Parts: sequence; structure tokens; C-alpha cells
Amino acid sequence: AQSVTQLDSHVSVSEGTPVLLRCNYSSSYSPSLFWYVQHPNKGLQLLLKYTSAATLVKGINGFEAEFKKSETSFHLTKPSAHMSDAAEYFCVVTLNSGYSTLTFGKGTMLLVSP
Amino acid sequence: EAQVTQNPRYLITVTGKKLTVTCSQNMNHEYMSWYRQDPGLGLRQIYYSMNVEVTDKGDVPEGYKVSRKEKRNFPLILESPSPNQTSLYFCASSALRRGSLGPTGELFFGEGSRLTVL
Repeated sequence: AQSVTQLDSHVSVSEGTPVLLRCNYSSSYSPSLFWYVQHPNKGLQLLLKYTSAATLVKGINGFEAEFKKSETSFHLTKPSAHMSDAAEYFCVVTLNSGYSTLTFGKGTMLLVSP
Repeated sequence: EAQVTQNPRYLITVTGKKLTVTCSQNMNHEYMSWYRQDPGLGLRQIYYSMNVEVTDKGDVPEGYKVSRKEKRNFPLILESPSPNQTSLYFCASSALRRGSLGPTGELFFGEGSRLTVL
């Protein structure tokens, strides 16, 4: 079984400042972890994924995430926010062994102010 | 272009009037799934399908039906819609993990269907 917790429902940043969106997971086996982004009135789009290779994963639009097994975390970061980053972000977990579906976090809304 | 297409994008209907939301993908994916998205509740899975003629309930299947007669199509059927089914619906597809043990996690989503039941 697996679960995922996004620690903040909303995060506000100013344009040009760093972004940190937090995600903690629990899983009984080795997990695969994903971040998805949803812009207003759009479907979700895959931002990046961790599937047991390098622990620091780079995604699209300058985002990256680091898998930390000891902390059971997979936080999403970006050095400098852009107005176009304003969106909702979802952390997703699945397992690498055995049968498993996908478990979504409840989402974090990122607000970017000028 | 890889695509998941949902129709209709917007629909207003009345209680009890049967409706179908279609979903089609062009990536030859085995796995397809329906989600509903509601404020504060995130995405909740309604039904999923691992292949043709193989469907299973997700977390919130009550009031919905699905079918998977062809690999590319996965329609969502509301036999007798009620106001609590007013929501934003997403269809998604994915390849399966090795050994067909579940989706890879690399989901492709449709643009969403906003349904209002009066």
C-alpha cells in the first residue's frame, strides 16, 4: 500500500524567488514518484518522475525534485519562479513491485505575484 | 500527436437524464482511467481499465458505469445523474509496467469535461 501527503494546500511566492512544494510519501515497497502540473482549465501534465535511478530528477520548465528515502520526501523545487508557473501541482506515488495503481496527493496551488 | 480526447468539454444536464462522456486515446495504451476533481478533494479515481474488457472500480465508482470494448475508447456513463455528480472529469491513459502489474505512472490526461447536474 502507499500514500502521499502534500504538506501545503497553497504556496505563494514572488516572481524571481525560489519555489518549494513539499511532498511526503509512504510505501511498503520501493516507490516511483511523479509530479504533475495542472494549469487553469487544462488537464494534468507530467512534470518529472523518479523511478529508482538518479535521486535528483530534472523536469520541464526548470523544475527538479530530489528523492530522499531517509526522509520519505520528494519535494519539488525551482530556483526562480515565473508568472507562468502559477498552477496546481500534484505529487503521485506508485510501487515498483507487485500490483499497484497510482495514489495522488490533494494538490498544492502555487500562486506567483509580480 | 499523442492525445487523449474527451467529449463533451462542457455539459449542463438535469437529474436523471442519462449521459455519456467519451474518451479516446491514440497511443495504443492498455491502461485507461477516469477521475473526478472537486475543490479540496484532489483527484479521485472512478474506474480504471487494464485492457479491453477488463475494468475495475476505483475509489468513488457509485453512480457510474464504464465499458472497454476497444482499446482506444473508454466511455464514462452516468445512467441517472444526480447533483452530487457535478464535477470536473478527467480521462487518462498510460502504458502498463512490465508484467502488466499496473500503470507506469506516466499518465496522459484529456483536457477535462465539466459536468453540471441540475
